Amino acid sequence: AQSVTQPDIHITVSEGASLELRCNYSYGATPYLFWYVQSPGQGLQLLLKYFSGDTLVQGIKGFEAEFKRSQSSFNLRKPSVHWSDAAEYFCAVGERNAGNMLTFGGGTRLMVKP
Amino acid sequence: EAEVAQSPRYKITEKSQAVAFWCDPISGHATLYWYRQILGQGPELLVQFQDESVVDDSQLPKDRFSAERLKGVDSTLKIQPAELGDSAMYLCASSYAGTSVNEQFFGPGTRLTVL
Repeated sequence: AQSVTQPDIHITVSEGASLELRCNYSYGATPYLFWYVQSPGQGLQLLLKYFSGDTLVQGIKGFEAEFKRSQSSFNLRKPSVHWSDAAEYFCAVGERNAGNMLTFGGGTRLMVKP
Repeated sequence: EAEVAQSPRYKITEKSQAVAFWCDPISGHATLYWYRQILGQGPELLVQFQDESVVDDSQLPKDRFSAERLKGVDSTLKIQPAELGDSAMYLCASSYAGTSVNEQFFGPGTRLTVL
């Protein structure tokens, strides 16, 4: 079965600084990969997804992520963080041919300092 | 823009009581999911429907939880009796059908507190 690890539970960055959130997955084949964001008390919103092709994926709100097969990673990046980016971020892996099931990581809570 | 609707948004109940949550997916989405998200953790799938049929309920505690989607549209998740450990956010999501992976759209969730 697949699994997802987000090593950083909390991250604090200054507004305007760059951001990288780490995600490592365990899966036997090439997975489908997702990043979702969750504001306090809200549901999850999709930031970006990787299915195949170009390993650098662009998403909404200026986020991007890079799939690295050799490292089993799918790290999320943003060049300049805004205060409104403070939220919880979840990486998820989807298993091909398994009915659209997703497995989520434990999440990384991002705090932004003014 | 179409959204997944959930109600209630918040529910406080005492242990041993029954609670029910409702979800209305995006129109045209045949697949519906219920997740449980414990504070500080990622969502965990409880049950997945394809139209009115259950595709996966392997993680649903069937002694106290039940889910139905009678007409293949909206869905209800019930807990009876509720236990203290059931306090969590219950998220509903929907997606287009298919064997390949499609984006899941999430509702705002129901925050359950069991006293």
